[in-house]
Amino acid sequence: DAGVIQSPRHEVTEMGQEVTLRCKPISGHNSLFWYRQTMMRGLELLIYFNNNVPIDDSGMPEDRFSAKMPNASFSTLKIQPSEPRDSAVYFCASSLGTGGRSEQFFGPGTRLTVL
Amino acid sequence: QQPVQSPQAVILREGEDAVINCSSSKALYSVHWYRQKHGEAPVFLMILLKGGEQKGHEKISASFNEKKQQSSLYLTASQLSYSGTYFCGTETGGGNKLTFGTGTQLKVEL
Repeated sequence: DAGVIQSPRHEVTEMGQEVTLRCKPISGHNSLFWYRQTMMRGLELLIYFNNNVPIDDSGMPEDRFSAKMPNASFSTLKIQPSEPRDSAVYFCASSLGTGGRSEQFFGPGTRLTVL
Repeated sequence: QQPVQSPQAVILREGEDAVINCSSSKALYSVHWYRQKHGEAPVFLMILLKGGEQKGHEKISASFNEKKQQSSLYLTASQLSYSGTYFCGTETGGGNKLTFGTGTQLKVEL
């Protein structure tokens, strides 16, 4: 069975460029989460969706970040324009049910480097 | 607020036991435990729901003290494969989302 799929696995870009990260959740899961992990701030929740609807985006750093989930099998996280401080590992996770009561399955992550 | 984990790091000899604590400043609805190996994604270990239960998973178990707003992860007879960073994730306020702790780095040596 395929787990959560993320692409790309690594992204190196220059400041000011647009970056799009992609995620395919586990089939049948109805909750999807985007996290960012850095040494300084640890693992932070950016946004989560339930049944394709954004439920809580309070963790999104600023207007440069946006996320969409057009259908149950695909989500994107976009950064425009990117800045060096956005460099981090971005994880997508999915769960069957709501986030607090169900196991979350994490994708392999996208390591983003903004020069 | 981010839950506080202690200790921040621990080194064990194979076969030794360890306890990792997770404390929250808010009332807890659930606590998740994950382990992350270097360069990999976090992997789910167990979830404890409001009610003060204790759970076990082979030689790894956890408790949840609702009154003290904390959870503890117990690793017994540690193995080399237990090495990694352990995170607790807490659900507070019924918001159905997790806030992860700062992590505890565990290293098991021969």
